[in-house]
Amino acid sequence: SYVLTQPPSVSVAPGKTARITCGGNNIGGKSVHWYQQRPGQAPVLVIYYDSDRPSGIPERFSGSNSGNTATLTISRVEAGDEADYYCQVWDRSSNHYVFGTGTKVTVL
Amino acid sequence: QVQLVQSGSELKQPGASVKVSCKASGYTFTNYPMNWVRQAPGQGLEWMGWINTNTGNPTYAQGFTGRFVFSLDTSVSTAYLQISSLKAEDTGVYYCARAPTAVAGTFWFDPWGQGTLVTVSS
Repeated sequence: SYVLTQPPSVSVAPGKTARITCGGNNIGGKSVHWYQQRPGQAPVLVIYYDSDRPSGIPERFSGSNSGNTATLTISRVEAGDEADYYCQVWDRSSNHYVFGTGTKVTVL
Repeated sequence: QVQLVQSGSELKQPGASVKVSCKASGYTFTNYPMNWVRQAPGQGLEWMGWINTNTGNPTYAQGFTGRFVFSLDTSVSTAYLQISSLKAEDTGVYYCARAPTAVAGTFWFDPWGQGTLVTVSS
């Protein structure tokens, strides 16, 4: 089955930029969606179709996807951005939706 | 506003069954597929499958066949997840999550229910 690999953790100082990668074989040919999960809460969609933001999601959140890596970028990081982040794609070969391994973002 | 509200936490013994509900509001229930996602303690997200809320046809992911059943009661805009013959490894938080279209392969998940913790322990 299709595997999405994320770094387990990313640390960033307030006001700086956090970049969270999601690696997969030719992921650039798929649509990637991203979720934020704060501790004890349900996931929230922050990016869909690689780079589109749902209403209510700050412009500080952006996404890109090319080759074997998709990236979620959080600009001007705030304390409230501390959460786990998951990427997600559709794997046509298995007819499954697949989530990445998850990345814990820590704001220093 | 669009909202999914799930039933409360459950503590079950091994071998028992559990039924989790997910009540939708703020939109036409039968227009959007409903998905189920499991999160084991301290682990990531795992897609369990989805149910077509228009036809009632379920699709189960690998690993979630046999003991897992998705169902609907469209009269009350509610989706259900039933798990039978519970095992300790079924312990986790179960989420329902709406998909934006009924076309398989195009799903993202928004919004999500608040989650239901199912604990299987003797």
